[in-house]
Amino acid sequence: GDSVTQTEGQVTVSESKSLIINCTYSATSIAYPNLFWYVRYPGEGLQLLLKVITAGQKGSSRGFEATYNKETTSFHLQKASVQESDSAVYYCALSPLSGSFNKLTFGAGTRLAVCP
Amino acid sequence: GPKVLQIPSHQIIDMGQMVTLNCDPVSNHLYFYWYKQILGQQMEFLVNFYNGKVMEKSKLFKDQFSVERPDGSYFTLKIQPTALEDSAVYFCASAKDWGDEQYFGPGTRLTVL
Repeated sequence: GDSVTQTEGQVTVSESKSLIINCTYSATSIAYPNLFWYVRYPGEGLQLLLKVITAGQKGSSRGFEATYNKETTSFHLQKASVQESDSAVYYCALSPLSGSFNKLTFGAGTRLAVCP
Repeated sequence: GPKVLQIPSHQIIDMGQMVTLNCDPVSNHLYFYWYKQILGQQMEFLVNFYNGKVMEKSKLFKDQFSVERPDGSYFTLKIQPTALEDSAVYFCASAKDWGDEQYFGPGTRLTVL
């Protein structure tokens, strides 16, 4: 089946420093799945951060960006300068259905702690 | 943005008892979902529901699980009887249309003793 692997556990970054959270995927049912990053702030539900449905393209939102790399089957999340308010849990996910959010497969989540 | 609420936020229950998890979806949404996340593992799809019927379910959706949304009120997940392996955080989501972005609730942490 489909699977998503991302940076395990917690990442701690000082405010204003750069961030990268790694994500690689394996999709058995489709060559080019839709790829997503979700974020969950404390006490809130999962929110869509960004999505890319076309291989080779980049998605961006709130200063975060991720590029769909079909050669390395990766979708790493990056931000040039993090803020304390970015502290949250980040989930990489895929959907095998073109243009759809259905049948989501999630990674285990990466907790980001930003220190002042 | 649109909010999905889940009640309660935490539930502790003895093995073998029944539990009902409640989800208050976004008001004009028609498709509803439950996901399960065991501590340290990924969130996994359980079931989706539309027009009073289960449309799809995963192998995690055991016979002891049931879902319903009586009279447009809460969308519920009932587990009867509960087992130790049901301990997890359960997330509800809703979407306006098939394949649309799903909006997630904050989760209910279920602990089965």
